[in-house]
Amino acid sequence: DGGITQSPKYLFRKEGQNVTLSCEQNLNHDAMYWYRQDPGQGLRLIYYSQIVNDFQKGDIAEGYSVSREKKESFPLTVTSAQKNPTAFYLCASSMSGGFYEQYFGPGTRLTVT
Amino acid sequence: QQQVKQSPQSLIVQKGGISIINCAYENTAFDYFPWYQQFPGKGPALLIAIRPDVSEKKEGRFTISFNKSAKQFSLHIMDSQPGDSATYFCAASRSDYKLSFGAGTTVTVRA
Repeated sequence: DGGITQSPKYLFRKEGQNVTLSCEQNLNHDAMYWYRQDPGQGLRLIYYSQIVNDFQKGDIAEGYSVSREKKESFPLTVTSAQKNPTAFYLCASSMSGGFYEQYFGPGTRLTVT
Repeated sequence: QQQVKQSPQSLIVQKGGISIINCAYENTAFDYFPWYQQFPGKGPALLIAIRPDVSEKKEGRFTISFNKSAKQFSLHIMDSQPGDSATYFCAASRSDYKLSFGAGTTVTVRA
């Protein structure tokens, strides 16, 4: 069964703690993305990676970090520097090139209190 | 600053009616315009997409209309069904992978 998995579905953390969100894909896609979704604001790009060991900042990268050590995996760390981390986080992947469909995972809802 | 402006924020339509969602963009370098559908608690899924060399694309009950000179594009859902109740996002990108999304439109189809 091909697709993107994100875990966990719900995550709760205390303020000041770093937290890492998992994203794995078995679609053999080169490109992977992280988005943040807030009510009324659509999806905003945090980071994206076109190939292994390379990634670029998106529109709202401050307070986040990523790594891309394997083609299948693109974990996102929400650091304590992120001022408003509570949100719905979506991971996506696509074939190389900007015109290919992005496939999204089911998302992780992070709540920081 | 949102590069793609989407309206309305929400709409309610009767079963069998037509839902229309509009989007506008400023960046003339955009050359790929997809629409995504998202159900509550799920990730978005591609619904239909268009390139600027065509003015209209139809897939089943879903049609994209594209007006390059006005820098606008819209999604029409014909014969709306309760199963179409979802949030719809327009988006735009260049060949650099990055999609810019609109804010989303929540569509409710009343039976």
